[in-house]
Amino acid sequence: GQNIDQPTEMTATEGAIVQINCTYQTSGFNGLFWYQQHAGEAPTFLSYNVLDGLEEKGRFSSFLSRSKGYSYLLLKELQMKDSASYLCAVRDSNYQLIWGAGTKLIIKP
Amino acid sequence: IAGITQAPTSQILAAGRRMTLRCTQDMRHNAMYWYRQDLGLGLRLIHYSNTAGTTGKGEVPDGYSVSRANTDDFPLTLASAVPSQTSVYFCASSDSGGSDEQFFGPGTRLTVL
Repeated sequence: GQNIDQPTEMTATEGAIVQINCTYQTSGFNGLFWYQQHAGEAPTFLSYNVLDGLEEKGRFSSFLSRSKGYSYLLLKELQMKDSASYLCAVRDSNYQLIWGAGTKLIIKP
Repeated sequence: IAGITQAPTSQILAAGRRMTLRCTQDMRHNAMYWYRQDLGLGLRLIHYSNTAGTTGKGEVPDGYSVSRANTDDFPLTLASAVPSQTSVYFCASSDSGGSDEQFFGPGTRLTVL
């Protein structure tokens, strides 16, 4: 079966750094996505990795290791507005997205 | 219209009733998707369409139908609603090429009693 695992909830302090991990087992791999979803809102695209390595975009970075079936999202200089759920999704061999249940990130002052 | 819209925003529906959720995008994206999102579960694909005139079944298609008569619209119909279809429904669209990220509508919160 296909499976995406990520922690259910994490807590971090404003101004700190947090790493959200995602492991996956899917039928094929055609890229990994990270989305942000604020409570009551739609998911919005954050990052895309298809090759191994780190992709940096401002305060957010995403890492991929295809051989390990592993990715992480790194958030630096945390702000209160970063309180949200972070969704990991893998595009499988059918080019459909398989989604993790999301990690709820709570930022404390 | 800017982006992707959904209607209604929310709806309470009696079991057994028929309901159509509307989705419209103005980005000329080829592909469109319907997901449901339930607490503790990831987004689950209901149906998708890779281009106007074609549709396909996702992970949880039972009880739902879709049509794609043109590029912009992708309605989702519940023929006879059941309480287990209580959920938040998101429509999304994407274009081919590059990362092909999906853009989401604001969602429809549906309650079936």
